[in-house]
Parts: sequence; C-alpha cells; structure tokens
Amino acid sequence: DVKVTQSSRYLVKRTGEKVFLECVQDMDHENMFWYRQDPGLGLRLIYFSYDVKMKEKGDIPEGYSVSREKKERFSLILESASTNQTSMYLCASSLVGGVNSPLHFGNGTRLTVT
Amino acid sequence: QKEVEQDPGPLSVPEGAIVSLNCTYSNSAFQYFMWYRQYSRKGPELLMYTYSSGNKEDGRFTAQVDKSSKYISLFIRDSQPSDSATYLCAMGNNDMRFGAGTRLTVKP
Repeated sequence: DVKVTQSSRYLVKRTGEKVFLECVQDMDHENMFWYRQDPGLGLRLIYFSYDVKMKEKGDIPEGYSVSREKKERFSLILESASTNQTSMYLCASSLVGGVNSPLHFGNGTRLTVT
Repeated sequence: QKEVEQDPGPLSVPEGAIVSLNCTYSNSAFQYFMWYRQYSRKGPELLMYTYSSGNKEDGRFTAQVDKSSKYISLFIRDSQPSDSATYLCAMGNNDMRFGAGTRLTVKP
C-alpha cells in the first residue's frame, strides 16, 4: 500500500511565523500535491509537482510556496502565516498522469494560526 | 455558483439501508469522476473511479454518472456502521474539482 506521511498531525503557530509542512511518500510516485480542506469549501489545490524541482500553481497559491528537492518529499511553506491560513492541509501523491489520476492522501496536518 | 455542488448533510440512516449520495456539476468538459471516503481524522481514500458516463459496481458500492444531466451518484447497499464517514465527490478533465463532502452516519 502507498503510504503518504505528513510530519505533524497538529500544529499551532503565531501570525507572521514561517511554517513548514512536510510530506513524504514511499511508493516512488511522480506527482505530489498540497490541498487545504475547509468546511463547506471542499478540497482546494494549493500547489502540485510533476517531478523533482518542478512546481505548478493550483487554485489558491497566494501566501504559499513549495519545495521538491527529492522525489519522495514535498514541502509546503507558509512564508508569513496568517489567521486565514488556519485549516486542514492534505498532501497527496499519484503515480502517473495529470491531476485526474487517483490520489493517495496523507492523514493531514491541522494548522492553527493565532 | 460552485463548479461542483454536494449536499453536506449530515445524513443518518439505519444499518442495512440503501444510501444515495449525489453531486451535480456545471462543467460539461468533465470526463473523470471519483468518489473518496474520509473517516474522521484521516485523509480521503479512493472508493470509486469512473471515466465518462455509465455505471460501475464494486461490492456494495455503485457509482453512476449521467453526463447529460451533469449528475453523479454513489449508492451504498446494505449500509454498515463502518460506512460512517464523509464522502467526497471529485471530477475533472484537465484539473480536478472536489465537492464539499457529505457526512454519513449509519446507526446500528
């Protein structure tokens, strides 16, 4: 089974802090994604990556950046955390194909920005 | 108007009931349709994946796509308490759009 591991289950940060969310997958998947999940809004794509050092903006990239230095690891960076970035963050990976390929998700990081 | 509309529920049914979960969408270009199940404090997991119109069955689960009506459904037969979860529809062509999810509780 594919395992997607997110480093933190819960995170509390202060406004203005730089925040790193880490994600590792163990099945040699090409594609990795970062989503945020908010009640009533569903999952919204922040950034995705098709290859090492490649990144593409999703629907809501503002205030975020990403890093993919190794195939198995995809990091989401909040440059200066704000309260409206309080959310559940989900990392996902897929083997091949575009954004329509079935996704394997991690268990999420619930981030609270105070 | 959202591209994908999904009734958030909550939906509560007795064990053994047939459950119908639905999504509507506005983009006629969507070709790929998926259902994910998300247990509490877990990430979503893929339940069903279909391409274009038609039905797909997997055990107690049946996914239906009606592209003419822009309507997709997930049916759960003989529902079990272990089916209690949030169900997310997802669909797309060049990019994927998720519904907000329907929370389902199956009571013993």
